[in-house]
Amino acid sequence: EDQVTQSPEALRLQEGESSSLNCSYTVSGLRGLFWYRQDPGKGPEFLFTLYSAGEEKEKERLKATLTKKESFLHITAPKPEDSATYLCAVQADTSGTYKYIFGTGTRLKVLA
Amino acid sequence: DSGVTQTPKHLITATGQRVTLRCSPRSGDLSVYWYQQSLDQGLQFLIQYYNGEERAKGNILERFSAQQFPDLHSELNLSSLELGDSALYFCASSGPGSNQPQHFGDGTRLSIL
Repeated sequence: EDQVTQSPEALRLQEGESSSLNCSYTVSGLRGLFWYRQDPGKGPEFLFTLYSAGEEKEKERLKATLTKKESFLHITAPKPEDSATYLCAVQADTSGTYKYIFGTGTRLKVLA
Repeated sequence: DSGVTQTPKHLITATGQRVTLRCSPRSGDLSVYWYQQSLDQGLQFLIQYYNGEERAKGNILERFSAQQFPDLHSELNLSSLELGDSALYFCASSGPGSNQPQHFGDGTRLSIL
């Protein structure tokens, strides 16, 4: 069964304390892995797309990496404004139909 | 601003009623997706339309239906509402190509009393 699992469920960091969020997946026919940021009461905001193992993308304090089984979102020297829920999603090719599966997210809180 | 517009922002109604949620995709996007997000289940994919035709179906109940119109806006119809249908309903759109990211609206919060 296609599955996306994110860990940890919640994470509290001090400002400047770097860490990583994990997204592990079991899908057939991976077409892409997406990272989103979601603020309370808002829709998910697109951050990155990764297509193949070994690929890396960076944006400000965020860096996403991809292996054949998991993706990491590294947060370097986070600031309070990085507090949000981070969602991982995969697009899988199931017999010619593309489906999207979201993880349940990691709630990140960065303390000043 | 993602460019995806959802209306209304909030809906309060009673069990057994029917509601319609509306979504306008980003300019140029042909694909529209509907999701349900509740506290204990995360984002659940409901249905996808591409240029007016149903493309993929997820965990959408038979009481729910959707359509995409020639101007590419989409509507999600929820009928015979139950307390458990209370949730945030998101619409997303994506550009041409098979593995494009989705861009989300800010959702409609549906409360069933």
